[in-house]
Amino acid sequence: GAGVSQSPRYKVAKRGQDVALRCDPISGHVSLFWYQQALGQGPEFLTYFQNEAQLDKSGLPSDRFFAERPEGSVSTLKIQRTQQEDSAVYLCASSLGAAATYEQYFGPGTRLTVT
Amino acid sequence: AQSVTQPDIHITVSEGASLELRCNYSYGATPYLFWYVQSPGQGLQLLLKYFSGDTLVQGIKGFEAEFKRSQSSFNLRKPSVHWSDAAEYFCAVERTDKLIFGTGTRLQVFP
Repeated sequence: GAGVSQSPRYKVAKRGQDVALRCDPISGHVSLFWYQQALGQGPEFLTYFQNEAQLDKSGLPSDRFFAERPEGSVSTLKIQRTQQEDSAVYLCASSLGAAATYEQYFGPGTRLTVT
Repeated sequence: AQSVTQPDIHITVSEGASLELRCNYSYGATPYLFWYVQSPGQGLQLLLKYFSGDTLVQGIKGFEAEFKRSQSSFNLRKPSVHWSDAAEYFCAVERTDKLIFGTGTRLQVFP
C-alpha cells in the first residue's frame, strides 16, 4: 500500500519567503509527527498531532514555524520569513495509534534550501 | 539532559565482515529503543525495536540488537554485512510519544 508521501521533495526559497510543506500520512493513521533533520545530524522532533489535535509543539524552533492538520489527515508545516538556518530536510511520520508502541512510518522528506 | 549518543560517526567494513554499531542513552528508566536505517533519498526505515522482555531483539535484514541496562546501551549487530547495507543508521529513544535520535553512524561497505 501507499506509504507516507511528502511534497514538494525539494524546495528552494529566498530568505524572507514563506514556504508550505505538505505531508500525506498513511490512510487511517491517527498520529502524525514532523521532524527536522539538519545536514549531518539526526532528526529532531518538531511537533505531533493526534487526529486534528496538536498535542505537542515543543520542538518548533520559533513562532515562524506553524503546523496544522485540520481534518486529521493531511498536514502542512508552514515556515514564515525563512532564514538560512531553516535549511534542512523536513520529515513527516505517521503511526496507526496514539501509543508509543506503534511504529512510526517516515516519508522521504522535503529538502528545504534557503538562499 | 536526556540524550542518545552514537560515538562512531563513520564506520567502514568489508563485505562479509561482522558489524557492531554503538548506541548509549541517558535515561533513568528503561525506555523504548529503536534502530532506524536511512538510505540516500529514502525515508527512515525501522530495523528493530525494544520495549521489554528478552534483551536480544531480532530485526529485519538480518540485524539484531542487545539491550544492556547496566551499560545503558543498545548496540546494533550483524554477523555478515552486505554491500546493500551501506547507509546511515540512527538509534532512537521514545519519550512522551516522540522519538529522540542520535546523530547517526554512516556505514560504508567495501567489496
